[in-house]
Amino acid sequence: GQNIDQPTEMTATEGAIVQINCTYQTSGFNGLFWYQQHAGEAPTFLSYNVLDGLEEKGRFSSFLSRSKGYSYLLLKELQMKDSASYLCANPDNYGQNFVFGPGTRLSVLP
Amino acid sequence: NAGVTQTPKFQVLKTGQSMTLQCAQDMNHEYMSWYRQDPGMGLRLIHYSVGAGITDQGEVPNGYNVSRSTTEDFPLRLLSAAPSQTSVYFCASRTGTGTHEQFFGPGTRLTVL
Repeated sequence: GQNIDQPTEMTATEGAIVQINCTYQTSGFNGLFWYQQHAGEAPTFLSYNVLDGLEEKGRFSSFLSRSKGYSYLLLKELQMKDSASYLCANPDNYGQNFVFGPGTRLSVLP
Repeated sequence: NAGVTQTPKFQVLKTGQSMTLQCAQDMNHEYMSWYRQDPGMGLRLIHYSVGAGITDQGEVPNGYNVSRSTTEDFPLRLLSAAPSQTSVYFCASRTGTGTHEQFFGPGTRLTVL
């Protein structure tokens, strides 16, 4: 299997910037996904990286280093509604079997 | 488009009972998957399908069966429910090309007593 590690919990202040890290095994790499999941709801897609570097999408950016098996999600200008769990996920060699990390629960405080 | 729909939203079973969780999508996606989500463990893949008539096992398939007779539907069957199957179950679908973004249903919260 592919192990994916993320911090369990993080706390940040409204208006600040937070970086959520994700590490994964580099064998069988086929893209790195980030999903957001509010409590009691389904995950929703945030970003997808297949090449090294930073992908920016509004207040959210995602970075990937394939050689290091490392990704991060950067959230800027934090809002209270950003309080959620953030899941990183990595498909297997065939892009069929998605392995999800345990998720990072982010709490945004006023 | 309704997207991915799941029924029921909540279910309570007794140990040994069987039931089917329904999942349907109207986006003509080839790939469909079932996940379970437990506290502290993230989403774990139970079974998946790459098209009608084709299914395969994921990480935690024991105690579950699936079939894919149509592109739209992908039901998950619990053969003999056990307390260890208490979980939140999510169905997801995606195309076989592009970014492989998965679309998730709203989930079924299952409790087995």
